[in-house]
Amino acid sequence: GAGVSQTPSNKVTEKGKYVELRCDPISGHTALYWYRQSLGQGPEFLIYFQGTGAADDSGLPNDRFFAVRPEGSVSTLKIQRTERGDSAVYLCASSSGRGGFYEQYFGPGTRLTVT
Amino acid sequence: SQQGEEDPQALSIQEGENATMNCSYKTSINNLQWYRQNSGRGLVHLILIRSNEREKHSGRLRVTLDTSKKSSSLLITASRAADTASYFCATWSGGSNYKLTFGKGTLLTVNP
Repeated sequence: GAGVSQTPSNKVTEKGKYVELRCDPISGHTALYWYRQSLGQGPEFLIYFQGTGAADDSGLPNDRFFAVRPEGSVSTLKIQRTERGDSAVYLCASSSGRGGFYEQYFGPGTRLTVT
Repeated sequence: SQQGEEDPQALSIQEGENATMNCSYKTSINNLQWYRQNSGRGLVHLILIRSNEREKHSGRLRVTLDTSKKSSSLLITASRAADTASYFCATWSGGSNYKLTFGKGTLLTVNP
């Protein structure tokens, strides 16, 4: 079956611009996670959705970052006034239940480069 | 912040040899998971071990967990070139905490 998909696969933007990154989870998965991975590091948690609501957004670095999941499936991560330090691979994952009881299925990621 | 620390940072072996990677973490956990990441398939879940388990096997993978030392090891037996990837441990503390906390990873290279 189809896995988690993310678009675009690559995004290059200028400092100060606004970007949107999209995640299509596995059909029927209620839990959706966003992570950010910098070069040479492991993924770092950003935000978790259970259904339509953000159950835990403690990993968002500041108020320039925002994510939505209006219908409980597709999610969009939005970054305002991008900075060079935002350059990273943004990973989305989904699972059939909350927390670490359930295996998380990751998408291929969106590589964001801020110039 | 990263909870787990994998050791070594990089490992290079010959095909057919065994590879052992270690992970140490700082806080109490409900379970610990190992993931593999390569450019072809992204991040893939390998195995999960619960805090009340000491050892688990899956195919050529063997995972151990020592909660008293807050450490885990991943053994890959009879390695293949296709095992070349970065390997990450990730911990879940349980309860109302929803996130996985990943380490920095071990880069494994298996030479044909």
